Amino acid sequence: EAQVTQNPRYLITVTGKKLTVTCSQNMNHEYMSWYRQDPGLGLRQIYYSMNVEVTDKGDVPEGYKVSRKEKRNFPLILESPSPNQTSLYFCASSFNREELFFGSGTQLSVL
Amino acid sequence: AQSVTQPDIHITVSEGASLELRCNYSYGATPYLFWYVQSPGQGLQLLLKYFSGDTLVQGIKGFEAEFKRSQSSFNLRKPSVHWSDAAEYFCAVATYSSASKIIFGSGTRLSIRP
Repeated sequence: EAQVTQNPRYLITVTGKKLTVTCSQNMNHEYMSWYRQDPGLGLRQIYYSMNVEVTDKGDVPEGYKVSRKEKRNFPLILESPSPNQTSLYFCASSFNREELFFGSGTQLSVL
Repeated sequence: AQSVTQPDIHITVSEGASLELRCNYSYGATPYLFWYVQSPGQGLQLLLKYFSGDTLVQGIKGFEAEFKRSQSSFNLRKPSVHWSDAAEYFCAVATYSSASKIIFGSGTRLSIRP
């Protein structure tokens, strides 16, 4: 089954403790992206990647890192999480950027 | 800069009634426009998209949307809603320049009255 898989679904952590949210897609898509969803703000793009080893900042990249060492994986790294990064995170991938395929989301709480 | 406005935060309609969700965009060139739906606890799923051509586009689940350049709008419609349509709906606009950005609106939550 074609899908985008994010892990974990839920994560509670404390300020400053490094964490990684994984994202993997099995559709051989070149384009992948991370979004955060906050009430009243919709989805805002954090980082995106056009292909392996090619990443770029979205609208809200501060406090986040990404890497794209393999085509299928696009992890999101929070080196020192802060409470304002409490949010619902979505990974998405696309073949031609005409349709995004989304993961089921990761609800992150930073205490 | 491109932007998307969904003026209705929450809409409630009766099952079987018609639906229209509003979306206005700001973009200098011809936009690429999308509607996505998010069911509770799920990721987003594409309902329909407009790139060019016929300004009335058909999507999945009986939805359609009409692109009106003069009004900078891309409203989503459905003639008769079902209880399963209760979800959050997002309009999005994209540019396919080197920035490859897709901008989402803030969403409209749809509730269905039995």
